[in-house]
Amino acid sequence: SQTIHQWPATLVQPVGSPLSLECTVEGTSNPNLYWYRQAAGRGLQLLFYSVGIGQISSEVPQNLSASRPQDRQFILSSKKLLLSDSGFYLCAWSVLPTGGFNSPLHFGNGTRLTVT
Amino acid sequence: AQSVTQLDSHVSVSEGTPVLLRCNYSSSYSPSLFWYVQHPNKGLQLLLKYTSAATLVKGINGFEAEFKKSETSFHLTKPSAHMSDAAEYFCVVSGNYKLSFGAGTTVTVRA
Repeated sequence: SQTIHQWPATLVQPVGSPLSLECTVEGTSNPNLYWYRQAAGRGLQLLFYSVGIGQISSEVPQNLSASRPQDRQFILSSKKLLLSDSGFYLCAWSVLPTGGFNSPLHFGNGTRLTVT
Repeated sequence: AQSVTQLDSHVSVSEGTPVLLRCNYSSSYSPSLFWYVQHPNKGLQLLLKYTSAATLVKGINGFEAEFKKSETSFHLTKPSAHMSDAAEYFCVVSGNYKLSFGAGTTVTVRA
């Protein structure tokens, strides 16, 4: 069966420090991968998605970047964190691109990031 | 364009009573529809998905949802609430390679 791992579970970082969040998927090949952010009272916001190694699409311009160095690894990064980067970050995967019939997203357990 | 509206931001029920979470959608395409549940500080877990094979969809943990095209609705129900059902629930519409999430409904279960 497929599993998705996301770490760390919680992170407290000072403003201006770098960020690296990792996500790996097991049990499937060539998954579509996604990073979402969930801020209090603002619902889920798609940040990045990837349909293959080295292929990253950004949905919103911001202080973050994403990379996919391996088929089942997705990394969210920042060179200098802002206070507004605080939130709950969720990694997800799907078999087909979103919108593909009957292809739901499967989410990791999330990372709670607090920028102080 | 597509969107989803969850009509209740918060629902409170007593344990053992029915739960109804309302979701309306709009889509220019033939949509796929999903319900997810999120417990505190956890990721979203898929409850059920609409595949167009049947309008009444059964999911995990005793939940089910009915697709009504004429009403553009996809309401989630459970006959008898359990304390473990306390969580946030999201209705999601998928179409044209885009996902739209509802704002979420928080469910509180009273003992």
